[in-house]
Order: sequence, then C-alpha cells, then structure tokens
Amino acid sequence: GQNIDQPTEMTATEGAIVQINCTYQTSGFNGLFWYQQHAGEAPTFLSYNVLDGLEEKGRFSSFLSRSKGYSYLLLKELQMKDSASYLCAVLDSNYQLIWGAGTKLIIKP
Amino acid sequence: NAGVTQTPKFRILKIGQSMTLQCAQDMNHNYMYWYRQDPGMGLKLIYYSVGAGITDKGEVPNGYNVSRSTTEDFPLRLELAAPSQTSVYFCASSPRGPSYTDTQYFGPGTRLTVL
Repeated sequence: GQNIDQPTEMTATEGAIVQINCTYQTSGFNGLFWYQQHAGEAPTFLSYNVLDGLEEKGRFSSFLSRSKGYSYLLLKELQMKDSASYLCAVLDSNYQLIWGAGTKLIIKP
Repeated sequence: NAGVTQTPKFRILKIGQSMTLQCAQDMNHNYMYWYRQDPGMGLKLIYYSVGAGITDKGEVPNGYNVSRSTTEDFPLRLELAAPSQTSVYFCASSPRGPSYTDTQYFGPGTRLTVL
C-alpha cells in the first residue's frame, strides 16, 4: 500500500529552527509537495520538490532524497504565525496525490 | 479574484438527509477536486473533474455524486447522509492536471456533521 509518515505534533520556540520530516512509500514518484494549513482554514502551497536536494524560499526550505523516500521542511526564525499543520503530499506514478496526515506545529513564546 | 469559494461553511444533517455542497472557482481552471479531511487523517480524494462534462472517481467516492456542467462550478451531492460522512470537505482547483505538477488552490472548506 501507499504510505506517508509525518510526526503528529511538534513544539518549537519562537525565533528557533524546526525540521519537519516526511517519509513516503508510494507506487512511483512524480514529486513531493508541502502545504501549510492553519486551524480551520484551507491548505496553502509552500513548496514542490522533484529532484534531490534543497530548495530555499525565504524562511522555509524543503529537502528531498528520492533514494531514501524522505523529505523535510525546515522553518527558520520561527514566528507565532507559523503555528499550523504542515502537510506532506506525494504524486505517485499515476499522478495521484497521496497526502500525509499532517504535522501540527506549536510555537511557544 | 475570489479564487475558490465554497458554501455552506457549516452544516448539520440528520441521518438519511441529502444535501449539495457548492464549489465555484473564477480562475478558469480546468481541473477541480473534492476532498474530505477527517481528524488525524490525510486528505482523501472523493471525485475530480478534468473539465466541463467530465468527472471521475477518486479514492473514496461511495455515498457521493458530482456534476460539472460549467468550468466554474463543481457541486458535490451527498445522498442519504451517514455519520461516517461527518468531515471537513475541501474543494480545490488547478490550471492543468497533476501530471503538470500544478499547485492546487483550495476553498475554505465546509464542516459537515451528520447526526
């Protein structure tokens, strides 16, 4: 079966750095997305990786290792507004999006 | 642009009732999707559409129906509501299909409770 694993919840301190991991086992791979979802709101796009390596976008970076079936989202200089759930999703060989359950990130002052 | 809009925001249904969740987008996107999101679970695809008049089943289509008569609208119909359909429903759209790895744009969601 297809599976995406993320930690359920993480806590970090304002101003710090946090890394949210995502491991996947899917039938094929055509890219990995990260979305941010604030409580009670819709998911919004953060990043897309299809090649190995690190993609940086301001305070957010996303890393992919296809051989290890692994990605992480790195958030720097954490702000209170970064408190949200972070969803990892993989495009499989049929171009179907397989979603992880999300990681709830709690930021403490 | 309003983006993707959904109505209603909240709804309580009794078992066996029917209802239609509305979704509209004003971005002229070809692809539209319906997802459900249960607590502690990933988004599950219910139905999707590649253009007006064309729809297809996703991972969890049972108990639902869709239609796509225009590019803008993609309503989701629940027939004979069951408690297992209690969930948050998200509509999304993208310019082209997943093979182009387009970002999906999500509506604000409809929180449905079936009692």
